[in-house]
Amino acid sequence: NAGVTQTPKFQVLKTGQSMTLQCAQDMNHNSMYWYRQDPGMGLRLIYYSASEGTTDKGEVPNGYNVSRLNKREFSLRLESAAPSQTSVYFCASSGNEQFFGPGTRLTVL
Amino acid sequence: AQSVAQPEDQVNVAEGNPLTVKCTYSVSGNPYLFWYVQYPNRGLQFLLKYITGDNLVKGSYGFEAEFNKSQTSFHLKKPSALVSDSALYFCAVSWGWNSGAGSYQLTFGKGTKLSVIP
Repeated sequence: NAGVTQTPKFQVLKTGQSMTLQCAQDMNHNSMYWYRQDPGMGLRLIYYSASEGTTDKGEVPNGYNVSRLNKREFSLRLESAAPSQTSVYFCASSGNEQFFGPGTRLTVL
Repeated sequence: AQSVAQPEDQVNVAEGNPLTVKCTYSVSGNPYLFWYVQYPNRGLQFLLKYITGDNLVKGSYGFEAEFNKSQTSFHLKKPSALVSDSALYFCAVSWGWNSGAGSYQLTFGKGTKLSVIP
């Protein structure tokens, strides 16, 4: 039982490049979330998916897109990365509590 | 709109002393309150939650929190701090259970760094 897994763990991009962050959960949860964590800002919700086939914007969705591929997987895409998107990204899935993945540390140069 | 505030960026406490990490909230209706802990280079881990019932909630690793409706607070406490408790602590609030999604959607505070000094 792996819980929530994320790939990659680290990534360095140049401004304008694109990439997809992958997330998968094996707890049969309906809800999945993408957050970003910045120093002094706590966690801010980017997008969430309440169930397979649905996605909704969170607090800071600009510059991101998401896909809920199936019940297990929820990916986050940066189409044209900007330095302001340098952050640590966490995926979570939720039943009674939210369970978090280990994070992806992204640097955009 | 719901919000949660953690008024202290950092809390320092000596090992063996009691610790308190403060959290206040603003939400219409009845709040659902959570505490999470984050160790360095790790994801967040659930500690405890208040949904209803007894105002004193006990959680993992000897932590507890007290819901105080009149003061709109949900402070995290532990009677005797350990060096291994040093971490980043997040308070979170939810406006309620989303039955369609089967989950709580959370708004997080900015976090409080706890340092336990040997």
